[in-house]
Amino acid sequence: AQTVTQSQPEMSVQEAETVTLSCTYDTSESDYYLFWYKQPPSRQMILVIRQEAYKQQNATENRFSVNFQKAAKSFSLKISDSQLGDAAMYFCAYRSGAAGNKLTFGGGTRVLVKP
Amino acid sequence: GAVVSQHPSWVICKSGTSVKIECRSLDFQATTMFWYRQFPKQSLMLMATSNEGSKATYEQGVEKDKFLINHASLTLSTLTVTSAHPEDSSFYICSAGWTPNYGYTFGSGTRLTVV
Repeated sequence: AQTVTQSQPEMSVQEAETVTLSCTYDTSESDYYLFWYKQPPSRQMILVIRQEAYKQQNATENRFSVNFQKAAKSFSLKISDSQLGDAAMYFCAYRSGAAGNKLTFGGGTRVLVKP
Repeated sequence: GAVVSQHPSWVICKSGTSVKIECRSLDFQATTMFWYRQFPKQSLMLMATSNEGSKATYEQGVEKDKFLINHASLTLSTLTVTSAHPEDSSFYICSAGWTPNYGYTFGSGTRLTVV
C-alpha cells in the first residue's frame, strides 16, 4: 500500500517570505499523481497544485511550486511571497494511476504566517 | 466548476440515534464518491468508496453496519451513522471521484457531535 509522509507538523513563515513543505511517499508504481491540498479553518479542501508522475517538469501555480524528485520519491511544496491567507493545514496526497482512484493523504503540515 | 454540496454542515444528535449526511454533485455526475473522517488536528482517513448502483467498499477497520453508505444515483451519495455514540463524533467529508476535467471535488464537511 502506498504511504505518504509529511515530516513537519508545523511551519512558521514571515509574511512575504518563502516556506517549503516536505512530502515523501512510498510506491512501487510508475504511473501516479501527486497533489497538495490546502485546508483553511473553514475545513474546505482546496486543491493547490498537482503533478503527474510522467511529467518531468515541476508544476507551478502562481506563488506555489513543487520540487518533484521521482527517484527520491519526494514532492515538496514551495510557497513564495507568503500571505496571511496562506495560513492553513496543507496535505500532500497520492493517487494511483491504476484502478481505484482513491487519494492517500499525508498527516498534514500546519502553516502559520506571521505579519 | 464542479461543486459537491454536503449537508448538514453540523449536527448534534443523542447517543443511540442515527444521522444521515448527504452529498450531492450539483453540475456533474459523480459515479464514485469517497467518504472521509477527520479527527481534530489529524489527516483525512478514507472510510469507504461508493460507486453508483453498487455496494460500497469499506476500508479495513470501518464497520459497514455502522456507517451505511448509499449511492443510488449519479448525483447523490449518503452516509448514515447508525446508533451513534460519542466516539463517532468527528468531521466527515465526502469527495467526488476523479474526473479528467475537475479532478477531485470535496464537500464542505459535516461536523457530527454525539451527546
